Amino acid sequence: AQKITQTQPGMFVQEKEAVTLDCTYDTSDPSYGLFWYKQPSSGEMIFLIYQGSYDQQNATEGRYSLNFQKARKSANLVISASQLGDSAMYFCAMREDFGNEKLTFGTGTRLTIIP
Amino acid sequence: GAGVSQSPSNKVTEKGKDVELRCDPISGHTALYWYRQSLGQGLEFLIYFQGNSAPDKSGLPSDRFSAERTGGSVSTLTIQRTQQEDSAVYLCASSSIRSDNEQFFGPGTRLTVL
Repeated sequence: AQKITQTQPGMFVQEKEAVTLDCTYDTSDPSYGLFWYKQPSSGEMIFLIYQGSYDQQNATEGRYSLNFQKARKSANLVISASQLGDSAMYFCAMREDFGNEKLTFGTGTRLTIIP
Repeated sequence: GAGVSQSPSNKVTEKGKDVELRCDPISGHTALYWYRQSLGQGLEFLIYFQGNSAPDKSGLPSDRFSAERTGGSVSTLTIQRTQQEDSAVYLCASSSIRSDNEQFFGPGTRLTVL
């Protein structure tokens, strides 16, 4: 079974609108962390936001927020007031177990912002 | 430098040749990771270092792949007898020891095996 599932291979959104990128995960570990990364066409991986499994509140970083629904095992990324520079690939990732530090990535969503 | 650096940025090699990819992590970061990204795909974990030790090598696809880290800093990923399916972008990341810290990624090395 896929550990991280991103069901939207591509999305087109009008500039200034909000957008939600979906991510569901599968783990039996009670302690884990969820990450979102942005990868522009230049190729670098840019960290956006982190949510720990025990965090009581949804993480927010500027225009980015993470809609964490633990019972549903979902960690959707919400981008408010989208900008042309938001056009990129977006990857959801999970880290399980303290001491097992690797990130498991989803297949990504390509977001295109339309002017 | 301030970020993770990798060299070379691009490598074209012939099938059967050996290649070495280098990663310089952020100064002071004890953890170092190698990932591989094939065209249009997500990132695939290869190996993780804590200091000079590699507690998790589970992602190395075959015994043609090896990696080492010296002085708790620079790491080298070596691919022996390269195959066309090894063509990908190889990304290195580093992080500090705190469990919730993000991994900072380098720009990657694009490997093409002809």
